[in-house]
Amino acid sequence: DVVLTQTPPTLSATIGQSVSISCRSSQSLLHSNGNTYLNWLLQRPGQPPQLLIYLVSRLESGVPNRFSGSGSGTDFTLKISGVEAEDLGVYYCVQSTHAPLTFGSGTKLEIK
Amino acid sequence: EVQLVESGGGLVQPGSPLKLSCAASGFTFSSNWLNWIRQAPGKGLEWVASINPDGSSTYYPDTVKGRFVVSKDNAKNTGYLQMNNLRSEDTAMYYCARYNKGFDYWGQGVMVTVSS
Repeated sequence: DVVLTQTPPTLSATIGQSVSISCRSSQSLLHSNGNTYLNWLLQRPGQPPQLLIYLVSRLESGVPNRFSGSGSGTDFTLKISGVEAEDLGVYYCVQSTHAPLTFGSGTKLEIK
Repeated sequence: EVQLVESGGGLVQPGSPLKLSCAASGFTFSSNWLNWIRQAPGKGLEWVASINPDGSSTYYPDTVKGRFVVSKDNAKNTGYLQMNNLRSEDTAMYYCARYNKGFDYWGQGVMVTVSS
């Protein structure tokens, strides 16, 4: 199974600070069809997860553009340019290039 | 408005069966993959099952294969997760989620507790 390693496990940020979360895969997530099925989710406290980014870097409709995704192959990054209070929660990367689908272990963002 | 609403959770004894439902609205249910994802208390997300749009193909991780069965009734816009021979480690919040370009819509989840 593909293992997704997220770092850091926890992140503490002040309002307005820019932060990055890393997601490293145990194997390339480039599919034979040319797509890379790596998404980012945010789970706010007490809520189901919501989709932020799909196909590595595409912003889901309605998601603020302070969120951005980048990367290729095995290394991926979620960046928040100017953290806001509503961004607190746990961020997960998830891959669906290879079966079975797997999630990263999560990065908890706390607001100082 | 897209909505997914889970039901059927509860407290069951080890070895018991339980069937979850996921009622969908606001989109063409028959054109989308349906997935079940669970989250044990205080833990991360774990994929449990997927079914393709017409219901002809299903997929499971090894942890539930042979015990869980996913299905969908496109006429009723409802998906199901039949869980058999439940174990204490199956205790979790169970979410149904649509997969389009990603897991773009999730239900609020339903709690399943397996305990004697």
